[in-house]
Amino acid sequence: EAGVAQSPRYKIIEKRQSVAFWCNPISGHATLYWYQQILGQGPKLLIQFQNNGVVDDSQLPKDRFSAERLKGVDSTLKIQPAKLEDSAVYLCASSPGLGSYNEQFFGPGTRLTVL
Amino acid sequence: DQQVKQNSPSLSVQEGRISILNCDYTNSMFDYFLWYKKYPAEGPTFLISISSIKDKNEDGRFTVFLNKSAKHLSLHIVPSQPGDSAVYFCAAIHTGANNLFFGTGTRLTVIP
Repeated sequence: EAGVAQSPRYKIIEKRQSVAFWCNPISGHATLYWYQQILGQGPKLLIQFQNNGVVDDSQLPKDRFSAERLKGVDSTLKIQPAKLEDSAVYLCASSPGLGSYNEQFFGPGTRLTVL
Repeated sequence: DQQVKQNSPSLSVQEGRISILNCDYTNSMFDYFLWYKKYPAEGPTFLISISSIKDKNEDGRFTVFLNKSAKHLSLHIVPSQPGDSAVYFCAAIHTGANNLFFGTGTRLTVIP
């Protein structure tokens, strides 16, 4: 069974530029999560989708971050414009349904460096 | 506000001995706790969990203990193996809130 795929794996941009990350969850998983992991910290949930609807985006900085999950499968996370403090690893995860955290599978992440 | 804390950034243990990783939380509404393991350049993988109605859950070499009155949980690995060397994250959730809170992680090194 294929795992959660993310691309790109690494991205370096200058501040005020925009960037987008892509995630393809495990087939059949209804719930998709985006996390931000700053160096030395644990992952922090940014947004959670159930199919193509948003369940929780309370910690998403909506002035610069946006995310969508078209057709309830793939998802993209965008930052526009980026700030220095956005440097982090962005992790995508999926699970079969809401609350199934035991079955939450993470992708390898995208490491973003903002200069 | 860090609601889940792992105060030991690193731990070194001899192969075959017990590894004990600790985690504290502040939110009394948390009712489900999980441990994840992370290797370099990979995403975290689920290891073991415990509900707040239990005080112990065991899975092979891994046991998680929960002390609700102290708001403390620990992960025991016995016996420790070199392949256990990784970063371990503690996480907690209030199941009505759909938001998983992670600790800052503990890097475990098992010395052969």
